[in-house]
Amino acid sequence: SAVISQKPSRDICQRGTSLTIQCQVDSQVTMMFWYRQQPGQSLTLIATANQGSEATYESGFVIDKFPISRPNLTFSTLTVSNMSPEDSSIYLCSVSGVLETQYFGPGTRLLVL
Amino acid sequence: SQELEQSPQSLIVQEGKNLTINCTSSKTLYGLYWYKQKYGEGLIFLMMLQKGGEEKSHEKITAKLDEKKQQSSLHITASQPSHAGIYLCGALHGSSNTGKLIFGQGTTLQVKP
Repeated sequence: SAVISQKPSRDICQRGTSLTIQCQVDSQVTMMFWYRQQPGQSLTLIATANQGSEATYESGFVIDKFPISRPNLTFSTLTVSNMSPEDSSIYLCSVSGVLETQYFGPGTRLLVL
Repeated sequence: SQELEQSPQSLIVQEGKNLTINCTSSKTLYGLYWYKQKYGEGLIFLMMLQKGGEEKSHEKITAKLDEKKQQSSLHITASQPSHAGIYLCGALHGSSNTGKLIFGQGTTLQVKP
């Protein structure tokens, strides 16, 4: 199985600032995704991180708010821009592995004050 | 209505009892994933089902996908306190693996010693 790490594991930020979350995988993967889990809620897909090209965003999510980079097949970043308290969530990256398995990172817990 | 519905929303069982969690999709499934999440942490991959009628087991947890590929059940035999957590089903809809999972609302399981 793929081993996924995320940095930071948690952060407390002031409104109006931005935070960049890193996702590192221990092997090359084709597909990487970013999800959000708001307090008490299930997971919602933010975007697909495409290697070498712009990310593909789901309805309700835009690049200006959640810019994503994926410079290679093992690494991606998600930035949460101009944060507000409503952005307080757990942000998780996931990757598709062999035999169509899908693994998730440990998540980044974000609190915006 | 939700594309993917889980039931029950929460469950409290006595240690040693069996239990079942259901996941129903409004669309035909390409694949159905089961995860376990400890509060505030990342998702642990349990298993993935793809073929109608398929059944998989991992230790004391068994998951099935019905023939019509629109419903899955997760069954835990002889539950233990270590089984406590949030169980999430994630669906791949359509005819190919886009990797984009739609999640149910989750089932919170408590196991009383």
